[in-house]
Parts: sequence; C-alpha cells; structure tokens
Amino acid sequence: RKEVEQDPGPFNVPEGATVAFNCTYSNSASQSFFWYRQDCRKEPKLLMSVYSSGNEDGRFTAQLNRASQYISLLIRDSKLSDSATYLCVVNNQAGTALIFGKGTTLSVSS
Amino acid sequence: DADVTQTPRNRITKTGKRIMLECSQTKGHDRMYWYRQDPGLGLRLIYYSFDVKDINKGEISDGYSVSRQAQAKFSLSLESAIPNQTALYFCATSDFPAASSGQETQYFGPGTRLLVL
Repeated sequence: RKEVEQDPGPFNVPEGATVAFNCTYSNSASQSFFWYRQDCRKEPKLLMSVYSSGNEDGRFTAQLNRASQYISLLIRDSKLSDSATYLCVVNNQAGTALIFGKGTTLSVSS
Repeated sequence: DADVTQTPRNRITKTGKRIMLECSQTKGHDRMYWYRQDPGLGLRLIYYSFDVKDINKGEISDGYSVSRQAQAKFSLSLESAIPNQTALYFCATSDFPAASSGQETQYFGPGTRLLVL
C-alpha cells in the first residue's frame, strides 16, 4: 500500500457543484494531516490542516477517520477559482517529514 | 518580497555538468527541505535540514547533495546531472513547532524548472 493515495481525477464539475476528494494513508502512527493546493506550474500552498474532530473553513470541510486511515476534503459551491490540484499530506513514520499524495485535479467550469 | 526564493527559476544544462540550485528564506525557520516533482509521481523529498548542523537524506537522495550555509540558505547540488533529473524542484521551509495549531506548515518557494539534455 502506498503511503498516501489519492484518486488523481480529473474531477470536472460545473460552478456551484459540491465535490469531495478522498485520501488514504498507510502509516497508522501519523499525527499530522493536511490538504495543500497547487495551481498549474506553481508551488503548493497550505489549504487547511485536518483535525480529528473535523474542521471547516468557509466552503471547505476536512474530515479525518483514524480507524480507516482516511481523509476527505469537501468543497461546496465550487468556484472557477477552485480549479487546481489538491494534495493530501501526512507526516512520515518518524514524524520528521511530510509525505505528499500525487494530488487530485479539479476543473470547475462555467 | 517573497519569503522563500529560489534561483535560478529555469535552467537548461547538459549531461555530466555540475549545477547548484539555491534557496533562501526570510521566515526565520530552522527546517528546510528540497523536493522534486515529476508528472504522475507527485512531490518526493530529496534532503531536509532541521538546522545548520543537521542534514538528512530523504526518499530520493542519490545523485544529489546539499549544503546548509546558514539558517536562511539551503542549496541543492547535482554533481553530474543526468536526463532523469529533469524535473521541477521546490525548496520549502517549515514553521515547526507551530505556535498555535501544533501542526507544522510548510512554505514553498516558486520552484526551479530544470532540464538536463
């Protein structure tokens, strides 16, 4: 099992749609979880951390299921500007570095 | 001014040449990282440094070396470049330990596009 796995997509959705991305991770000892966003040919930027109780930031909701080693990101009311690649990130077994998933590509159209 | 800068932004070189990619940060972070990104493979960690005297190999360190000249500077060298080192290279810093959230955030530079012919 790869350390961090994501559906690569692409997800093609119309403006206003709700879209969900899923991610699984292999290291049961991971303690830190994130979603990063990467625009085409740009650097990754932190979108949000993921907390055990789940957390929301505007139209974005992140959930963590430790038992299933599963992380999700829900985007409501999609905007054109949400088009990007979304990277699922967890810390490594030693807790010394972050492991990045390959990313899920979202394309929002008008 | 950007907090994490990388030079050069683009580089074309030939097989066998030695090249250096440089990274500077003004964030005052101790932790710095070098990644490469290839289509379909995502970001992979090359080397990381927790302070000036601490250098660690990442997932794919073969063919690379690094130098942490100061807290603010972390350079990546390809001693003898080969075509499969063609990639997008990112430097990053980390705010570990994060003051409020308890979770570190990594801040990336704009990347260096390297083409090895």
